[in-house]
Amino acid sequence: GDSVTQMEGPVTLSEEAFLTINCTYTATGYPSLFWYVQYPGEGLQLLLKATKADDKGSNKGFEATYRKETTSFHLEKGSVQVSDSAVYFCALSDRLRGSYIPTFGRGTSLIVHP
Amino acid sequence: NAGVTQTPKFQVLKTGQSMTLQCAQDMNHNSMYWYRQDPGMGLRLIYYSASEGTTDKGEVPNGYNVSRLNKREFSLRLESAAPSQTSVYFCASSEQGASEKLFFGSGTQLSVL
Repeated sequence: GDSVTQMEGPVTLSEEAFLTINCTYTATGYPSLFWYVQYPGEGLQLLLKATKADDKGSNKGFEATYRKETTSFHLEKGSVQVSDSAVYFCALSDRLRGSYIPTFGRGTSLIVHP
Repeated sequence: NAGVTQTPKFQVLKTGQSMTLQCAQDMNHNSMYWYRQDPGMGLRLIYYSASEGTTDKGEVPNGYNVSRLNKREFSLRLESAAPSQTSVYFCASSEQGASEKLFFGSGTQLSVL
């Protein structure tokens, strides 16, 4: 079945450091790919998405490129802020049993120190 | 602009008790989902409803039942709670389609003693 693998955390960085969170996937079809962010005590919210190969999703300084050849969708940000501290989830949406079912990775906690 | 509303926010149960988690969305979405979130396990799908009148099992359905009451509401029932069901539960909704994002509620923190 479909699955998403992302790097284990926590990832601890100093403010203004470069961030990479790795994500790879396996899918039977041609999925759309997503990054969601969860701030403490809240539900998940969409950060960015990409729907086809070589698409780049971007939002709030975060970027990720859909790489079909390496089945990857790594999240990057050039300069993190303390306010970026949160848990980040990579996800895919693929057609299973006639419906689009989202599948999530285990999440990566990011801690940014001043 | 409520989005997805879950109740209750917190609940403590004793083993064997039953309860229903309520979820409602006001975005006219066709699809609704129940996930549980456990440390180190990410989000796992319990049940989903692709459209009004249909429900299907997800990855971890045992011990749960669901009802898609109408297009707005999708409830999750624990008939006989067990300590293994201690978790944070999230309801989500979306339109059907590969590129459609999920909208999440704020979660229910459930402890089963």
